[in-house]
Parts: sequence; C-alpha cells; structure tokens
Amino acid sequence: DQQVKQNSPSLSVQEGRISILNCDYTNSMFDYFLWYKKYPAEGPTFLISISSIKDKNEDGRFTVFLNKSAKHLSLHIVPSQPGDSAVYFCAASAYTDKLIFGTGTRLQVFP
Amino acid sequence: DTEVTQTPKHLVMGMTNKKSLKCEQHMGHRAMYWYKQKAKKPPELMFVYSYEKLSINESVPSRFSPECPNSSLLNLHLHALQPEDSALYLCASSQERDRGVGYTFGSGTRLTVV
Repeated sequence: DQQVKQNSPSLSVQEGRISILNCDYTNSMFDYFLWYKKYPAEGPTFLISISSIKDKNEDGRFTVFLNKSAKHLSLHIVPSQPGDSAVYFCAASAYTDKLIFGTGTRLQVFP
Repeated sequence: DTEVTQTPKHLVMGMTNKKSLKCEQHMGHRAMYWYKQKAKKPPELMFVYSYEKLSINESVPSRFSPECPNSSLLNLHLHALQPEDSALYLCASSQERDRGVGYTFGSGTRLTVV
C-alpha cells in the first residue's frame, strides 16, 4: 500500500523555466509533508516542508503547495537551474518521526 | 558539525559473514534512523531510536540487529544476510521536536551480499 505517490517518474525542464513536481497521498492523518533532493551516491537532502495547517510555504526558489481536500502537494522550483537535476522525493509523517517516502521523480534541467 | 557520517561507504559480504554498519552524528539529535533503499525505490524505514532506545522496528528480520551505544552513534549489525538484502542503507538523525526541519541523512552504505 503506497501511501505517498509520485506518479511522474521523470521530468525534463529547460533552464530558467519552472519545474513542478507533484505528489499525492492517501492517509488523511499526515500532518507534515517534506521534500528531499537526492544526488547519485549521496543521501537525501532536506529541501522544504509544510505543515498540514498551511497551504503554502516558500523558501527562495522553492515553494510547496498543499491541497488537503485533493490530498495533493506540489513543489515549484523557479527558476530551474542545471544544479537542480536530481531525484526528488516527497515524504509525509503522521504525528510521529516516521517518514514515508514517495517513489521519487527524476528532474533533469537542460540548458 | 552538521553531518551524519556513515562507514563504510561500500561493503561486500558473504551470506555467512558478520559485519556492522556505523553511523555517527554530533548535532545533538536525539532521534536516529536506519532506512533501506533498493534501486529505483523509495527509502523504507527499518528502525527508529529515540533517546537511545528502540522506538520503532518495522518488522525487520532478525538478521538485522540495531544498536545505539550512545546518543551520537548508531550501529546496524548484519548476520546471515541474503542476496536480496543488497541495497543502500541510509542512516539519518533528527531533532525530534521539530518535525518540519526534516532528517539529516548520511551518504549511505552500499551493501552487496554475495
């Protein structure tokens, strides 16, 4: 039972444009959502999070939007840069420290 | 120090071997985690230690044995593993009371069981 899903395995975006990565979840008890970025041969790196009491959180080029009624969140990266090319994981937790990860989306930013 | 350090980075072991993975952090984090990641799959939680005590075991087979000797160290003892246990093993730590900050992950140990 995959409680956190990222239905797009890959995304290709031109440098300078907006990257939008999507994530859907099924568990209405999730109260925190996080995005991680992972380069090959490295551990995931925390990017940004959002509490379930909010619908938007922004940090520099990264913005996360949460739509609780649709059980959907998205990560917007603008402008996209070649260094953003990585695998992005959505993760969620339900009032615990246990994080459940999505399957990941590979983002490629080309010049 | 803002890192989680995992050793070794790579490990090849036979099915009858005993080996240990090590994880260390000096950020004062009180929660530490072991995750397992297979190729093209998301990280899957194995164990959680909170204040040096095992708080979550995700029904992991007993051939994996975690240990938390102190608040900075986390070990994963391996014995009689199977080839399907080959994976990237990730350690992470977090400040328990601020879940919005997220985990800090190590770079992982790439384990191959032959």
